[in-house]
Amino acid sequence: GNSVTQMEGPVTLSEEAFLTINCTYTATGYPSLFWYVQYPGEGLQLLLKATKADDKGSNKGFEATYRKETTSFHLEKGSVQVSDSAVYFCALNDMRFGAGTRLTVKP
Amino acid sequence: ETGVTQTPRHLVMGMTNKKSLKCEQHLGHNAMYWYKQSAKKPLELMFVYNFKEQTENNSVPSRFSPECPNSSHLFLHLHTLQPEDSALYLCASSQVARLAGEVNEQFFGPGTRLTVL
Repeated sequence: GNSVTQMEGPVTLSEEAFLTINCTYTATGYPSLFWYVQYPGEGLQLLLKATKADDKGSNKGFEATYRKETTSFHLEKGSVQVSDSAVYFCALNDMRFGAGTRLTVKP
Repeated sequence: ETGVTQTPRHLVMGMTNKKSLKCEQHLGHNAMYWYKQSAKKPLELMFVYNFKEQTENNSVPSRFSPECPNSSHLFLHLHTLQPEDSALYLCASSQVARLAGEVNEQFFGPGTRLTVL
Protein backbone atom coordinates (compact mmCIF):
# COMPACT_ATOMS: atom_id res chain seq x y z
CA GLY A 1 0.00 0.00 0.00
CA ASN A 2 0.89 3.66 -0.17
CA SER A 3 3.15 5.13 2.49
CA VAL A 4 5.19 8.21 3.37
CA THR A 5 8.54 8.18 5.14
CA GLN A 6 9.78 11.38 6.63
CA MET A 7 13.08 12.16 8.34
CA GLU A 8 12.82 12.00 12.09
CA GLY A 9 13.35 15.06 14.18
CA PRO A 10 13.66 17.08 16.07
CA VAL A 11 15.70 19.45 13.96
CA THR A 12 17.29 22.46 15.62
CA LEU A 13 18.85 25.21 13.51
CA SER A 14 20.17 28.69 14.00
CA GLU A 15 18.42 31.58 12.27
CA GLU A 16 19.43 31.98 8.60
CA ALA A 17 20.61 28.36 8.34
CA PHE A 18 19.67 26.15 5.38
CA LEU A 19 16.87 23.64 5.96
CA THR A 20 16.23 20.27 4.36
CA ILE A 21 13.57 17.83 5.56
CA ASN A 22 13.57 14.59 3.62
CA CYS A 23 10.41 12.86 2.45
CA THR A 24 10.09 9.74 0.33
CA TYR A 25 6.95 7.93 -0.68
CA THR A 26 5.68 4.61 -1.96
CA ALA A 27 2.60 4.75 -4.13
CA THR A 28 0.96 3.33 -7.20
CA GLY A 29 0.51 5.78 -10.02
CA TYR A 30 1.41 9.43 -9.68
CA PRO A 31 -0.09 10.89 -6.55
CA SER A 32 -0.20 14.55 -5.68
CA LEU A 33 2.23 15.42 -2.90
CA PHE A 34 1.84 17.94 -0.10
CA TRP A 35 3.75 19.58 2.71
CA TYR A 36 1.69 20.77 5.67
CA VAL A 37 2.87 22.84 8.62
CA GLN A 38 1.49 22.86 12.16
CA TYR A 39 2.30 25.84 14.35
CA PRO A 40 1.99 25.49 18.13
CA GLY A 41 -1.62 25.25 19.28
CA GLU A 42 -3.03 25.09 15.76
CA GLY A 43 -4.21 22.56 13.22
CA LEU A 44 -2.30 21.67 10.08
CA GLN A 45 -2.26 24.05 7.14
CA LEU A 46 -1.08 23.50 3.61
CA LEU A 47 2.39 24.87 2.95
CA LEU A 48 2.89 23.78 -0.66
CA LYS A 49 1.98 21.05 -3.11
CA ALA A 50 2.95 19.46 -6.42
CA THR A 51 0.65 17.47 -8.65
CA LYS A 52 2.99 15.86 -11.20
CA ALA A 53 6.57 14.82 -11.75
CA ASP A 54 9.14 17.64 -11.85
CA ASP A 55 6.65 20.16 -10.48
CA LYS A 56 8.10 22.50 -7.88
CA GLY A 57 5.84 23.72 -5.11
CA SER A 58 6.85 26.88 -3.31
CA ASN A 59 5.49 29.17 -0.61
CA LYS A 60 6.93 31.50 2.05
CA GLY A 61 10.49 30.73 0.88
CA PHE A 62 9.98 26.97 1.14
CA GLU A 63 10.37 24.76 -1.92
CA ALA A 64 9.92 21.09 -2.76
CA THR A 65 10.33 19.31 -6.10
CA TYR A 66 8.37 16.21 -7.07
CA ARG A 67 11.06 13.67 -8.06
CA LYS A 68 9.49 10.62 -9.65
CA GLU A 69 12.80 8.83 -10.23
CA THR A 70 13.72 8.94 -6.55
CA THR A 71 10.10 9.03 -5.26
CA SER A 72 11.02 12.00 -3.12
CA PHE A 73 9.58 15.39 -2.19
CA HIS A 74 12.19 16.99 0.07
CA LEU A 75 11.37 20.31 1.71
CA GLU A 76 14.00 23.06 1.56
CA LYS A 77 14.42 26.65 2.67
CA GLY A 78 17.52 28.73 2.15
CA SER A 79 17.34 30.84 5.30
CA VAL A 80 15.09 29.85 8.18
CA GLN A 81 13.58 32.27 10.67
CA VAL A 82 12.50 31.82 14.28
CA SER A 83 8.90 32.06 13.07
CA ASP A 84 9.40 28.87 11.00
CA SER A 85 9.52 26.82 14.21
CA ALA A 86 6.74 24.28 13.78
CA VAL A 87 6.04 20.66 12.89
CA TYR A 88 6.20 19.79 9.18
CA PHE A 89 4.27 16.92 7.60
CA CYS A 90 4.72 15.33 4.20
CA ALA A 91 1.54 13.79 2.74
CA LEU A 92 0.04 11.96 -0.22
CA ASN A 93 -3.33 12.73 -1.73
CA ASP A 94 -4.84 9.57 -0.19
CA MET A 95 -4.77 11.17 3.28
CA ARG A 96 -1.57 9.42 4.38
CA PHE A 97 0.80 11.60 6.35
CA GLY A 98 4.40 11.24 7.42
CA ALA A 99 5.23 11.16 11.12
CA GLY A 100 6.05 14.86 11.19
CA THR A 101 9.36 16.64 11.78
CA ARG A 102 9.62 19.21 14.53
CA LEU A 103 11.77 22.19 13.60
CA THR A 104 13.10 24.62 16.17
CA VAL A 105 14.93 27.73 14.97
CA LYS A 106 17.02 29.60 17.53
CA PRO A 107 17.91 33.28 17.24
CA GLU B 1 -8.66 31.04 9.93
CA THR B 2 -8.99 28.00 7.68
CA GLY B 3 -12.79 27.89 7.37
CA VAL B 4 -13.00 24.81 9.62
CA THR B 5 -14.07 25.31 13.22
CA GLN B 6 -14.01 22.83 16.07
CA THR B 7 -15.66 22.92 19.48
CA PRO B 8 -14.77 22.59 22.20
CA ARG B 9 -11.08 23.45 21.99
CA HIS B 10 -10.34 21.65 25.23
CA LEU B 11 -12.22 18.82 26.93
CA VAL B 12 -11.54 16.90 30.12
CA MET B 13 -13.73 13.89 30.76
CA GLY B 14 -13.92 10.86 32.98
CA MET B 15 -13.97 7.34 31.62
CA THR B 16 -17.70 6.97 32.24
CA ASN B 17 -18.73 10.25 30.61
CA LYS B 18 -20.40 10.77 27.25
CA LYS B 19 -19.36 13.79 25.23
CA SER B 20 -19.33 14.95 21.62
CA LEU B 21 -16.85 16.86 19.51
CA LYS B 22 -18.21 19.14 16.82
CA CYS B 23 -16.70 20.24 13.53
CA GLU B 24 -18.12 22.68 11.01
CA GLN B 25 -16.72 23.68 7.64
CA HIS B 26 -17.69 26.84 5.77
CA LEU B 27 -15.89 26.00 2.53
CA GLY B 28 -18.55 24.10 0.58
CA HIS B 29 -16.46 20.92 0.59
CA ASN B 30 -17.92 17.46 0.06
CA ALA B 31 -15.61 15.41 2.28
CA MET B 32 -14.81 15.56 6.00
CA TYR B 33 -12.33 13.67 8.16
CA TRP B 34 -11.44 12.91 11.76
CA TYR B 35 -7.78 12.45 12.71
CA LYS B 36 -6.14 11.58 16.02
CA GLN B 37 -2.82 13.20 16.84
CA SER B 38 -0.92 11.72 19.76
CA ALA B 39 2.49 12.71 21.03
CA LYS B 40 5.34 10.93 19.23
CA LYS B 41 2.98 9.07 16.87
CA PRO B 42 2.04 9.71 13.25
CA LEU B 43 -1.22 11.37 12.44
CA GLU B 44 -3.92 8.67 12.47
CA LEU B 45 -6.85 8.86 10.07
CA MET B 46 -9.96 7.71 11.94
CA PHE B 47 -13.00 8.31 9.75
CA VAL B 48 -13.77 9.65 6.28
CA TYR B 49 -17.09 10.94 4.99
CA ASN B 50 -17.55 11.62 1.29
CA PHE B 51 -20.85 13.19 0.28
CA LYS B 52 -22.14 12.44 3.80
CA GLU B 53 -21.44 8.72 3.44
CA GLN B 54 -18.84 7.07 5.64
CA THR B 55 -16.23 5.62 3.31
CA GLU B 56 -13.43 4.75 5.71
CA ASN B 57 -13.19 3.49 9.26
CA ASN B 58 -9.62 2.64 10.14
CA SER B 59 -10.20 0.02 12.83
CA VAL B 60 -11.36 2.62 15.30
CA PRO B 61 -12.81 1.26 18.57
CA SER B 62 -16.57 1.46 18.89
CA ARG B 63 -16.28 3.89 21.81
CA PHE B 64 -15.75 6.48 19.05
CA SER B 65 -18.89 7.05 16.98
CA PRO B 66 -18.95 9.53 14.09
CA GLU B 67 -21.98 11.30 12.72
CA CYS B 68 -22.27 13.42 9.58
CA PRO B 69 -25.78 14.94 9.37
CA ASN B 70 -24.92 17.12 6.38
CA SER B 71 -21.91 18.07 4.30
CA SER B 72 -20.99 20.96 6.59
CA HIS B 73 -21.09 19.26 9.98
CA LEU B 74 -19.24 16.35 11.50
CA PHE B 75 -19.48 15.01 15.03
CA LEU B 76 -17.45 12.55 17.03
CA HIS B 77 -19.42 11.00 19.88
CA LEU B 78 -17.32 9.70 22.75
CA HIS B 79 -18.29 7.21 25.46
CA THR B 80 -16.43 5.08 27.99
CA LEU B 81 -13.07 6.31 26.78
CA GLN B 82 -9.71 5.17 28.11
CA PRO B 83 -6.79 7.33 29.29
CA GLU B 84 -4.84 6.32 26.16
CA ASP B 85 -7.49 8.09 24.10
CA SER B 86 -6.14 11.41 25.36
CA ALA B 87 -4.91 13.26 22.27
CA LEU B 88 -5.55 16.15 19.90
CA TYR B 89 -8.50 15.37 17.64
CA LEU B 90 -8.36 17.15 14.32
CA CYS B 91 -11.15 17.64 11.84
CA ALA B 92 -10.46 18.39 8.19
CA SER B 93 -12.42 18.95 5.01
CA SER B 94 -11.61 18.85 1.31
CA GLN B 95 -13.16 18.78 -2.13
CA VAL B 96 -13.06 15.30 -3.62
CA ALA B 97 -13.56 14.43 -7.28
CA ARG B 98 -16.44 11.94 -7.14
CA LEU B 99 -15.23 9.59 -9.86
CA ALA B 100 -11.48 9.66 -9.29
CA GLY B 101 -11.72 9.80 -5.52
CA GLU B 102 -8.61 11.92 -5.47
CA VAL B 103 -8.23 14.17 -2.47
CA ASN B 104 -7.23 17.75 -2.99
CA GLU B 105 -5.63 19.72 -0.20
CA GLN B 106 -7.23 19.33 3.17
CA PHE B 107 -8.23 22.22 5.41
CA PHE B 108 -7.83 21.52 9.10
CA GLY B 109 -9.54 22.90 12.15
CA PRO B 110 -7.52 23.88 15.24
CA GLY B 111 -8.34 20.62 17.01
CA THR B 112 -9.89 19.58 20.32
CA ARG B 113 -7.40 18.72 23.05
CA LEU B 114 -9.00 15.77 24.86
CA THR B 115 -7.87 14.54 28.26
CA VAL B 116 -9.42 11.37 29.68
CA LEU B 117 -9.00 10.94 33.41
